Amino acid sequence: AQKVTQAQTEISVVEKEDVTLDCVYETRDTTYYLFWYKQPPSGELVFLIRRNSFDEQNEISGRYSWNFQKSTSSFNFTITASQVVDSAVYFCALSPKRAQKLVFGQGTRLTINP
Amino acid sequence: DVKVTQSSRYLVKRTGEKVFLECVQDMDHENMFWYRQDPGLGLRLIYFSYDVKMKEKGDIPEGYSVSREKKERFSLILESASTNQTSMYLCASSSRVPVGDTQYFGPGTRLTVL
Repeated sequence: AQKVTQAQTEISVVEKEDVTLDCVYETRDTTYYLFWYKQPPSGELVFLIRRNSFDEQNEISGRYSWNFQKSTSSFNFTITASQVVDSAVYFCALSPKRAQKLVFGQGTRLTINP
Repeated sequence: DVKVTQSSRYLVKRTGEKVFLECVQDMDHENMFWYRQDPGLGLRLIYFSYDVKMKEKGDIPEGYSVSREKKERFSLILESASTNQTSMYLCASSSRVPVGDTQYFGPGTRLTVL
């Protein structure tokens, strides 16, 4: 069975703080894909990153970075020097190789206070 | 840029009505998906389609049906709307190759059934 757990339901920090969103997944597949999406108040899910299970290199994109650790089945997302515009719900998702669908975590609501 | 559009942002219907939610994508994607999003539950897959006239049930298909007569258009149908179908509905599309390709989402339709 495939499962994604985002244990942090809500996080609130002050602007310019660093914040890490946790994602733990379960799958028996050896090949799979992991994703992060951002859902701002407007409602549309915005794609942030896709990572395949064979690529454990960490990735950095501006203030965003992702830490993929197969040994702990985790794919955590860090925002450095957070800004008010980062306020949103963030979803982690898993796509098993043989299936086309995404399995989503419950989401983490991030609030950045000025 | 991928563009996925949904026919309505907000919809209010009465119990027992037949409801059509329309989704159109402009990237020639083979796969299209319907999800519903509820607080604390993340996104759950209702149905998906990997080709014209083809469909597969997702995790929560009960009470829904779908139609895909053209590649760019995927419709979700609530045959007899009920109050427990009040939710946010999100459409997505992706390319069939590679497997696990990124899904791109529309802006969502917030449906209220009275």
